[in-house]
Amino acid sequence: EDQVTQSPEALRLQEGESSSLNCSYTVSGLRGLFWYRQDPGKGPEFLFTLYSAGEEKEKERLKATLTKKESFLHITAPKPEDSATYLCAVQARTGGFKTIFGAGTRLFVKA
Amino acid sequence: GAVVSQHPSWVICKSGTSVKIECRSLDFQATTMFWYRQFPKQSLMLMATSNEGSKATYEQGVEKDKFLINHASLTLSTLTVTSAHPEDSSFYICSARDPDRAEANYGYTFGSGTRLTVV
Repeated sequence: EDQVTQSPEALRLQEGESSSLNCSYTVSGLRGLFWYRQDPGKGPEFLFTLYSAGEEKEKERLKATLTKKESFLHITAPKPEDSATYLCAVQARTGGFKTIFGAGTRLFVKA
Repeated sequence: GAVVSQHPSWVICKSGTSVKIECRSLDFQATTMFWYRQFPKQSLMLMATSNEGSKATYEQGVEKDKFLINHASLTLSTLTVTSAHPEDSSFYICSARDPDRAEANYGYTFGSGTRLTVV
């Protein structure tokens, strides 16, 4: 069964304190792994898609990496505006375009 | 970029009434739309896949007769919660896939969500 597990559930950082969020996944043939940002009361906002092990993508203070079993979202020198829930999701090559989401990591960045 | 508009953003209804939620793709034609529900501090749970011009595909455990999905055009899908009860209170989110974008390269575009409260 396809599954996505994110850790930690919540992460509290001081402004400027870099850290990483983990996403472990099990999928029968990965089509793509996605990272989304979700603010309270809003729909998820797309950040990255990763397709194969070794791939990396960056956007401002965020960098996503992928291995065969997990993905990391690295946050460098975070700012309070980076506070949000970060969701990881996967799509399998089979099963149409169904996306399986993890429970998310709630990030709090204090000034 | 692709934009998905979802309305209403919040709704309060009485137990036993029905509520309709709309999801529109504004600048692309979405042959496939997805409906999710999300409980507080939990992840998005896929309810159903909505295909234009055909019946929706429901996930296991989701009642078809309770959550009616209509995808009559390439830009509009609706979710109707029939005979709503307090346990249906949740955050409902739609998403759409733009078939003209390269496979899953850009992920999916999500609506802003609808907070349903049944009293």
